[in-house]
Amino acid sequence: DGGITQSPKYLFRKEGQNVTLSCEQNLNHDAMYWYRQDPGQGLRLIYYSQIVNDFQKGDIAEGYSVSREKKESFPLTVTSAQKNPTAFYLCASSRAPQGGEAFFGQGTRLTVV
Amino acid sequence: KNEVEQSPQNLTAQEGEFITINCSYSVGISALHWLQQHPGGGIVSLFMLSSGKKKHGRLIATINIQEKHSSLHITASHPRDSAVYICAVSQGAQKLVFGQGTRLTINP
Repeated sequence: DGGITQSPKYLFRKEGQNVTLSCEQNLNHDAMYWYRQDPGQGLRLIYYSQIVNDFQKGDIAEGYSVSREKKESFPLTVTSAQKNPTAFYLCASSRAPQGGEAFFGQGTRLTVV
Repeated sequence: KNEVEQSPQNLTAQEGEFITINCSYSVGISALHWLQQHPGGGIVSLFMLSSGKKKHGRLIATINIQEKHSSLHITASHPRDSAVYICAVSQGAQKLVFGQGTRLTINP
């Protein structure tokens, strides 16, 4: 079945360490997105990519980095520069850069210890 | 003020009741999405609509573009409908703007 796979589901990181969250999709979607969800707040856009080898900053990109070397994959790195990294991270994709129905992964809960 | 406002924030009802969740937005949109998030965290897209009304099983979504308002209805609610329901709007090319979500609890 087609879908989006995020891994791992739970992740613990020590302060000062970088960590990479995986997002893979086999839906042949051009556009992919990373969102952050904090308690009591709506999802906020971190980065998005419309095509391979291109990506744009979202509303809260500071302290994060991404790459889009393959259409299927859009990994997110949470760097040590991110001041409050503990959150729930969701990856999504849509068919075209113009939007359309969004498909979401199951999320990764990152905890900094 | 958030660009997308949902009400109520929390809703508890008895099994079988008719449920309505509201979403108002203040920006121009190309489409409105209703999403469902279960306790595990994964999100499922329920509807994407730009006008009128859509129905899927016991779920109905409506949108009034002039009033910038959408509603999600659940008929004959069931405990398995308990989840967070999220309204989001598409603005132009690629950005989704999300409401804060409505936590729905259906008691047996």
